[in-house]
Amino acid sequence: SQKIEQNSEALNIQEGKTATLTCNYTNYSPAYLQWYRQDPGRGPVFLLLIRENEKEKRKERLKVTFDTTLKQSLFHITASQPADSATYLCALDPSAGGTSYGKLTFGQGTILTVHP
Amino acid sequence: KAGVTQTPRYLIKTRGQQVTLSCSPISGHRSVSWYQQTPGQGLQFLFEYFSETQRNKGNFPGRFSGRQFSNSRSEMNVSTLELGDSALYLCASSRGDSDPSYEQYFGPGTRLTVT
Repeated sequence: SQKIEQNSEALNIQEGKTATLTCNYTNYSPAYLQWYRQDPGRGPVFLLLIRENEKEKRKERLKVTFDTTLKQSLFHITASQPADSATYLCALDPSAGGTSYGKLTFGQGTILTVHP
Repeated sequence: KAGVTQTPRYLIKTRGQQVTLSCSPISGHRSVSWYQQTPGQGLQFLFEYFSETQRNKGNFPGRFSGRQFSNSRSEMNVSTLELGDSALYLCASSRGDSDPSYEQYFGPGTRLTVT
């Protein structure tokens, strides 16, 4: 069966450290993967997209990797701050070749807490 | 640019009733997707509309329906409400044309409680 799993339900780290979140998928062949941030009581906010032919993408303190052999994406936040505390969701297009407009399958999310 | 707006923000209904939720996308966005978010199941895709046509549908019963108007605004309807329909209903808009990978912009959601 198809699954998208974010390995850690919760991750606690100290301010200044690098947070690494994992997203694994089974029986999908995603053309791309997206990462979102969700704060309590709010809708998810788009952070980064990485395509299947890209190994790594960066945006300020954020870095995403995509390994289609391992069927895994890693999301890193460097020099983490308490303001980075939120739930982080990975999402992919469940259709082969990434042709499914407007339809994303989401992981369960990882709750990140950055302690001062 | 104004973000995605959803009304109402909170709703309490009784089992058996029906409910209509509304979503106004970002100006210029023609695709509107709806998702249900619960603690147990996470975010699950309901359906997507583009230019008043449903392009994609998730695995939800027929009690869940939607529509899109010519101004891209969208509504979703849930008939014969069940306790399990209690959830945060999120609407997301995107450009919706040429590239399916366009990011989605989510609204704040409508918190539906069924008693």
